[in-house]
Amino acid sequence: DTAVSQTPKYLVTQMGNDKSIKCEQNLGHDTMYWYKQDSKKFLKIMFSYNNKELIINETVPNRFSPKSPDKAHLNLHINSLELGDSAVYFCASSQAYGTSGGAWSETQYFGPGTRLLVL
Amino acid sequence: KQEVTQIPAALSVPEGENLVLNCSFTDSAIYNLQWFRQDPGKGLTSLLLIQSSQREQTSGRLNASLDKSSGRSTLYIAASQPGDSATYLCAVRRRDDKIIFGKGTRLHILP
Repeated sequence: DTAVSQTPKYLVTQMGNDKSIKCEQNLGHDTMYWYKQDSKKFLKIMFSYNNKELIINETVPNRFSPKSPDKAHLNLHINSLELGDSAVYFCASSQAYGTSGGAWSETQYFGPGTRLLVL
Repeated sequence: KQEVTQIPAALSVPEGENLVLNCSFTDSAIYNLQWFRQDPGKGLTSLLLIQSSQREQTSGRLNASLDKSSGRSTLYIAASQPGDSATYLCAVRRRDDKIIFGKGTRLHILP
């Protein structure tokens, strides 16, 4: 009955490889997010999708490509992995996006994180 | 450019004390501000969300205030418990819908 789940939990891979991280939410939310938390624990938003449409696209390398096959899923594909990509990647979801719906609708629910280590 | 600062970076207090965590932001044009806690090796848990039109939100022993004009928010924790030990982060949603996080305050409640 996990609300926001991510797979895998741990990912160790070599430089130059391509990998994907999957995220699923069973809360019926419209909006999903990807965040990166670096080694200094600084959390930074990468992407956000609302109803499968990209609404936030921060300045991240185009090696990172999010894909939302449906409202409940937001996957993150990373090409040509680099050492600096090592971090914890968090997926999150919220009921809605923007100022409509009130405070409750923007509360974000986070997944447990995927710890990526690039060697 | 919106910057979010949390001071102090770390805080240790004896169990039972009331405490205040601070969050400041440089651009007052925000939609909302949200407080989270993060336990070691875990994801974030939302604690309170304050819309820009609100002054405070309360949940149990937690009270968050927002003063947009001064660019400040506080998270007040009453009667602290060892289970409150975690990193507390604040995040603002800007008018362009970007979300900016502070670097967090690591709180340690001493039993």
